[in-house]
Amino acid sequence: DTAVSQTPKYLVTQMGNDKSIKCEQNLGHDTMYWYKQDSKKFLKIMFSYNNKELIINETVPNRFSPKSPDKAHLNLHINSLELGDSAVYFCASSQDRGQADTIYFGEGSWLTVV
Amino acid sequence: AQSVTQLGSHVSVSEGALVLLRCNYSSSVPPYLFWYVQYPNQGLQLLLKYTSAATLVKGINGFEAEFKKSETSFHLTKPSAHMSDAAEYFCAVSENPGGYNKLIFGAGTRLAVHP
Repeated sequence: DTAVSQTPKYLVTQMGNDKSIKCEQNLGHDTMYWYKQDSKKFLKIMFSYNNKELIINETVPNRFSPKSPDKAHLNLHINSLELGDSAVYFCASSQDRGQADTIYFGEGSWLTVV
Repeated sequence: AQSVTQLGSHVSVSEGALVLLRCNYSSSVPPYLFWYVQYPNQGLQLLLKYTSAATLVKGINGFEAEFKKSETSFHLTKPSAHMSDAAEYFCAVSENPGGYNKLIFGAGTRLAVHP
């Protein structure tokens, strides 16, 4: 039973489209994240939610809008997709927001914008 | 701000040889350090973490890492490489601005294991 699951795993779409990636965790964690991995494998945090409340919002274009309907779900909606949005998007979760907490990652969603 | 530097974007070893992946950190406070592994087309899996307890940390799959404050290092080692160890390895430091946790990752090291 997958701990952090995200869908879709692969997504190919045209520039200008709007798309969403869904994420669910069944670990009972309070904190969820979105990380982005670019074509050079560099990983960077985008957002973090704690109990449905946005707590970290890195410098991300406002075309990206996360939504957390409950603490087990964190979805990512992207408007007006651009070529530079092509990346792997990882959802993740941790028990709480402590510095020593292990962050568990999903399998990733490979987004290709053409 | 905290950061990590991974020396060597590619490391190649023979099966059975020692694996050494280097990570140096920069932090003004005692750091929390992590090593994650990413297999092709998969997510990240935690190998081990240092949280200011023992300086030698043992992880999964026979990996271990030693925290050396004097050298600001947290190198990952495995005595004997296996073909299945071929993957991308990421060192990360946990930053906690305002009480909110986030991982700052290094650029990654791709480990190749050849027969």
